[in-house]
Amino acid sequence: DGGITQSPKYLFRKEGQNVTLSCEQNLNHDAMYWYRQDPGQGLRLIYYSQIVNDFQKGDIAEGYSVSREKKESFPLTVTSAQKNPTAFYLCASSEGHRVLGGELFFGEGSRLTVL
Amino acid sequence: AQSVAQPEDQVNVAEGNPLTVKCTYSVSGNPYLFWYVQYPNRGLQFLLKYITGDNLVKGSYGFEAEFNKSQTSFHLKKPSALVSDSALYFCAVRSFSSGSARQLTFGSGTQLTVLP
Repeated sequence: DGGITQSPKYLFRKEGQNVTLSCEQNLNHDAMYWYRQDPGQGLRLIYYSQIVNDFQKGDIAEGYSVSREKKESFPLTVTSAQKNPTAFYLCASSEGHRVLGGELFFGEGSRLTVL
Repeated sequence: AQSVAQPEDQVNVAEGNPLTVKCTYSVSGNPYLFWYVQYPNRGLQFLLKYITGDNLVKGSYGFEAEFNKSQTSFHLKKPSALVSDSALYFCAVRSFSSGSARQLTFGSGTQLTVLP
């Protein structure tokens, strides 16, 4: 079945440690996205990528980094510079700007807790 | 700038009654509008979208939404609510203007509770 796989589902981190969240899709989508979800704030865009080897900052990119070396993969690193990293992280993909009305397909999310 | 407002944090409705979850938007250019649903500790699932054409859009699980350009609204509706419809609902907008598309902007979400 086609879809988006995020791992791990739950992750605990000590302050000062970097962590990497995995996102893999087999939908052959060009575009991939990372969102952060906090209670009562909806979804906020961290980074997005429209094509391999290219990515753009979203609204809250500080303290995060990404790479897009393969079409299928868009890992997110939460660095120690992120002041408040405890959150639910969602990865999504879409057909990209070639299909302007295309919806996003979401993974099941990764919940990061900083101890 | 584009924005989405979901004025109600919480909506309660009795099972079998009609439900409405409200959404208003602000964009420059033509809007593309979406509704998603999220169950606890899960990702978002796409329900329906408005791109162009008929103002009444039908989607998954019996949901529908009506695009009203003059009121800049895109309210989600269902004629008869089920307990299993209880979830967090997000409205989202994307605009296309000046030859470029913006990324999706999400509302803050509305928690729907259907009471048995």
